[in-house]
Amino acid sequence: GNSVTQMEGPVTLSEEAFLTINCTYTATGYPSLFWYVQYPGEGLQLLLKATKADDKGSNKGFEATYRKETTSFHLEKGSVQVSDSAVYFCALRNSGGYQKVTFGIGTKLQVIP
Amino acid sequence: DTAVSQTPKYLVTQMGNDKSIKCEQNLGHDTMYWYKQDSKKFLKIMFSYNNKELIINETVPNRFSPKSPDKAHLNLHINSLELGDSAVYFCASSQNAGRMNTEAFFGQGTRLTVV
Repeated sequence: GNSVTQMEGPVTLSEEAFLTINCTYTATGYPSLFWYVQYPGEGLQLLLKATKADDKGSNKGFEATYRKETTSFHLEKGSVQVSDSAVYFCALRNSGGYQKVTFGIGTKLQVIP
Repeated sequence: DTAVSQTPKYLVTQMGNDKSIKCEQNLGHDTMYWYKQDSKKFLKIMFSYNNKELIINETVPNRFSPKSPDKAHLNLHINSLELGDSAVYFCASSQNAGRMNTEAFFGQGTRLTVV
């Protein structure tokens, strides 16, 4: 079945540091890949997505590239801000039929001033 | 307008009670879900409905019964609540577009506390 593996947190960074959150996946076919963000006390919001190999999703300074050869979708940001503190979820949804969204365990990011 | 809305946002109740959580989406999507998020933030799918038809039913106690009166609504009824049911429950919706399924849009969550 499908699965998503992402690094366990928490990750603590100073403001303006470089961020990488690793994510790898296992799936059949051609899944779409997503990063969701959950700010404290809120629901999940889609941060970015990529629907095919070599696509790069980007939003709010975050980027992730769909790497089929390494089955990875690592999240990066060049300079984090305090307001980026949240839990980040890597997720996938397979193609064809009625497919659920499968989530990783979530990585908590804390950015300190 | 809120795309996926669920009510109530907070629910505190005693063990043994029966409660319902409602969810509505105005995105015109054909698929709706319920997810449970535990205290460690792990998200686990419970149910998925497509056009009012149950598609996915993960290993969930039969005290949990989803009901979809139409494709824009998916409610969750829980009987005989237990302490372990305390969690945040998220409703979500998406569109099945054949080969290219869309992302899921989430509600704000319902924090259920069983005392």
